[in-house]
Amino acid sequence: GPKVLQIPSHQIIDMGQMVTLNCDPVSNHLYFYWYKQILGQQMEFLVNFYNGKVMEKSKLFKDQFSVERPDGSYFTLKIQPTALEDSAVYFCASSPDRANERLFFGHGTKLSVL
Amino acid sequence: GDQVEQSPSALSLHEGTDSALRCNFTTTMRSVQWFRQNSRGSLISLFYLASGTKENGRLKSAFDSKERRYSTLHIRDAQLEDSGTYFCAAEARSNYNVLYFGSGTKLTVEP
Repeated sequence: GPKVLQIPSHQIIDMGQMVTLNCDPVSNHLYFYWYKQILGQQMEFLVNFYNGKVMEKSKLFKDQFSVERPDGSYFTLKIQPTALEDSAVYFCASSPDRANERLFFGHGTKLSVL
Repeated sequence: GDQVEQSPSALSLHEGTDSALRCNFTTTMRSVQWFRQNSRGSLISLFYLASGTKENGRLKSAFDSKERRYSTLHIRDAQLEDSGTYFCAAEARSNYNVLYFGSGTKLTVEP
């Protein structure tokens, strides 16, 4: 079936550094999302993105976070600078033609901030 | 977050038995989805429902069409490969851009 690819699967960085998480969404999907899951806790919405713009973001989407999808390539989540509490698994998702209809998730990128 | 209450938090079944998971919503939801997260962390979409019921093999899901305040996932004839953590996620009518996830049900199927 359709696949969302996330690169890398695991990223380890020092606190204060910048990190970019990459997501290759399902081809022809129009809506893109990032979710955050801290170990042992539930998945929480960060942001969604459509037509080159952020549609909605949660309070977890701090000023240090940004998203973009330049020229239809990877959908990226950048954190600059990182903090210890940013350690989590970040899941990218995409959906075809309406927000939140039938989301397809990637395998997640585990971010460890030291 | 608080919009979705999922139960039970953990469930242990013997092979061949049936059970059900449930999600209650504190507000009227537009749609619900069910996912299974495997040991590697991958999230697999099981069902998307805007109303009514859907069935796929030994899994069946229902979304209360009247009040739109709860959903269930039934597992029939549980198999070892059904083990994993199951999440429901719902889209609020008041904010259709956001999916609210339940806290998950960790299912263990034993021989």
